[in-house]
Amino acid sequence: EVQLVESGGGLVQPGRSLKLSCAASRFTFSDYNMAWVRQAPKKGLEWVATISYDGSNTYYRDSVKGRFTISRDNAKSILYLQMDSLRSEDTATYYCARHQLGALDYWGQGVMVTVSS
Amino acid sequence: DVVVTQTPPTLSATIGQSVSISCRSSQSLLDGDGDSYLNWLLQRPGQSPQLLIYSVSNLESGVPNRFSGSGSETDFTLKISGVEAEDLGVYYCMQATHAPLTFGGGTKVELK
Repeated sequence: EVQLVESGGGLVQPGRSLKLSCAASRFTFSDYNMAWVRQAPKKGLEWVATISYDGSNTYYRDSVKGRFTISRDNAKSILYLQMDSLRSEDTATYYCARHQLGALDYWGQGVMVTVSS
Repeated sequence: DVVVTQTPPTLSATIGQSVSISCRSSQSLLDGDGDSYLNWLLQRPGQSPQLLIYSVSNLESGVPNRFSGSGSETDFTLKISGVEAEDLGVYYCMQATHAPLTFGGGTKVELK
């Protein structure tokens, strides 16, 4: 079955940077758009960013534009999220998800990011 | 952004009871190709979300057929015909017709 495994989370001070990774396996990674979705503690789901299958197109929610960068390495089957100028409101569990036919059909287990001094 | 509103926020059910969750969008989710990209996901306690239904009424592989989805335009419903213990958790609807993707606020299904 499809596997998505996130890593790179942790505690970081406001204004600092963090880079998340999502290792994909058991499917042809380069065939699929991929997304990051986050969930603040005890809150609902919030889409963060999407990247096209070949990396040529990227999309971001307004609150992270200019601060976050989604990218991918199709040779290694890894999705990334570079997060700069982090704010307390970015504190959340971050999930990577496979984006197919208008749905997010597989999700990783999530990685926690805490932004606090 | 398309606002997606779910009701009720909490639903108490007994095992075997049939229940429904409503999802309403601020704009029609009918795409130019005739599809509506309205999906339902379940997040069990301590787990990541899983896709149950895509494009309004299509059951994801491996999902029990006691789950069904219906609706059109701006009004959609998820029905569980006979709740089982493993169905407890938070249900989210999600629209992908309009950018950006948006989620409903969630419906927590708990045991009565």
